[in-house]
Amino acid sequence: QKEVEQNSGPLSVPEGAIASLNCTYSDRVSQSFFWYRQYSGKSPELIMSIYSNGDKEDGRFTAQLNKASQYVSLLIRDSQPSDSATYLCAALNNAGNMLTFGGGTRLMVKP
Amino acid sequence: DAGVTQSPTHLIKTRGQQVTLRCSPKSGHDTVSWYQQALGQGPQFIFQYYEEEERQRGNFPDRFSGHQFPNYSSELNVNALLLGDSALYLCASSSFVWLSNTGELFFGEGSRLTVL
Repeated sequence: QKEVEQNSGPLSVPEGAIASLNCTYSDRVSQSFFWYRQYSGKSPELIMSIYSNGDKEDGRFTAQLNKASQYVSLLIRDSQPSDSATYLCAALNNAGNMLTFGGGTRLMVKP
Repeated sequence: DAGVTQSPTHLIKTRGQQVTLRCSPKSGHDTVSWYQQALGQGPQFIFQYYEEEERQRGNFPDRFSGHQFPNYSSELNVNALLLGDSALYLCASSSFVWLSNTGELFFGEGSRLTVL
C-alpha cells in the first residue's frame, strides 16, 4: 500500500454542489494531514490542515479525519468553477520533517 | 517579499545529458525540498536540504544529486538523463522547525524538463 492514496478522478460536480474528495493513508505516515490545491500549470498551495479526529471548517472547506479508518477527506461546499483544480492530499512522515503526497484528484466544477 | 524562485522554467535535453536546476527559497526559510511531478501524478519527494546537508532522500537513483549553499539556495543535478526523467521539478521551501508544526511548504512554479 502506498503511504497516501487518492482516487485520480476526474470528479465532476455541478456549480453549487458539494464536492467530496477522499484520501487514505498507511501506518507509515504521521497523524498530520494537509490538502493542497494545484491549478493546471501552477504549483501546489496549502488550503487546509488537520491533525485531530473529526471535522475542521474554514469557509467553504471542511477537512475530516478518521484515524480508525485511516481516512481523510475534503468537502467543498457551494462549489464554484474556480474550484476546478487538482487536490493533493499530503501527510507528514513520522519524523515530522517531510511531506508525502498522494497522486491527486482532479475536480471539475461545471457551470 | 519574493517567494520561491526557480530557474530555468522550461528546458529541453536529450538522453544522456546532464541538467542543473536552481532554486532560491522564500526569505526566512532555511530548508529546501525537491519534488518530481510527472504529468497527471502527485509530487514525488526527491530529497531535502537543511544546513547544507541532505537530510532526507526519497526513492530516486544516485543520478539525482543536489547541493545547498550558505545562502540557503539549492541546486538539483540529474546525470545521464532518461526519457522517464521528463517531468515538472518543484522546489519547496520551509522553515525546518515550522514544517513539523504546520506542514506548509511554499512551492516555486517549477522547472519543466523535457528529455528527448
